[in-house]
Amino acid sequence: GQSLEQPSEVTAVEGAIVQINCTYQTSGFYGLSWYQQHDGGAPTFLSYNGLDGLEETGRFSSFLSRSDSYGYLLLQELQMKDSASYFCAAQGRVDTGRRALTFGSGTRLQVQP
Amino acid sequence: NAGVTQTPKFQVLKTGQSMTLQCAQDMNHNSMYWYRQDPGMGLRLIYYSASEGTTDKGEVPNGYNVSRLNKREFSLRLESAAPSQTSVYFCASSEAWAGGTDTQYFGPGTRLTVL
Repeated sequence: GQSLEQPSEVTAVEGAIVQINCTYQTSGFYGLSWYQQHDGGAPTFLSYNGLDGLEETGRFSSFLSRSDSYGYLLLQELQMKDSASYFCAAQGRVDTGRRALTFGSGTRLQVQP
Repeated sequence: NAGVTQTPKFQVLKTGQSMTLQCAQDMNHNSMYWYRQDPGMGLRLIYYSASEGTTDKGEVPNGYNVSRLNKREFSLRLESAAPSQTSVYFCASSEAWAGGTDTQYFGPGTRLTVL
């Protein structure tokens, strides 16, 4: 089976740094993705880690440790527009033998002035 | 480029009614997906199509059927709607798995209420 755990809510202030953790149990694991979803909107892709280590894309960074089945998303210089839900998603093999994404339940980030 | 489009945006059904949700993508992607998202939860995979001509069950396929009409279009059918199917439905598409990452592009969603 596939399961991912992430905190349900995080609150931070504008300009701060916040880290959203994700632990996973996935058979045939390939990599970990992160998606952002604003209220009422569609999920949009943020980053992907296929190998251990840090990937940086502007203010956002993502980290993966395969040996620990753990990853995180780091958001720096927080802005009000970063208030959204953030989902980690693991690429793994599902029952059919094909690859598919399994999403965590999401972390709701509230950025306060 | 419109990306991924879905119709309708909103729908209200009575228990037992049927309907088809439509999805189309113009990015020439091989793979397409249907997810449902319940309040405060992540996305759960209903069905997916790795390539034209193939479909596979996801995590929550019961009560649904799909058709990959061609490379662009992937529809989701509810044969006999139930209140438990009240949800937001997202369609997504992606390129084939080559290259490792599989960025999925999502449509705007269909908000379905079953009374």
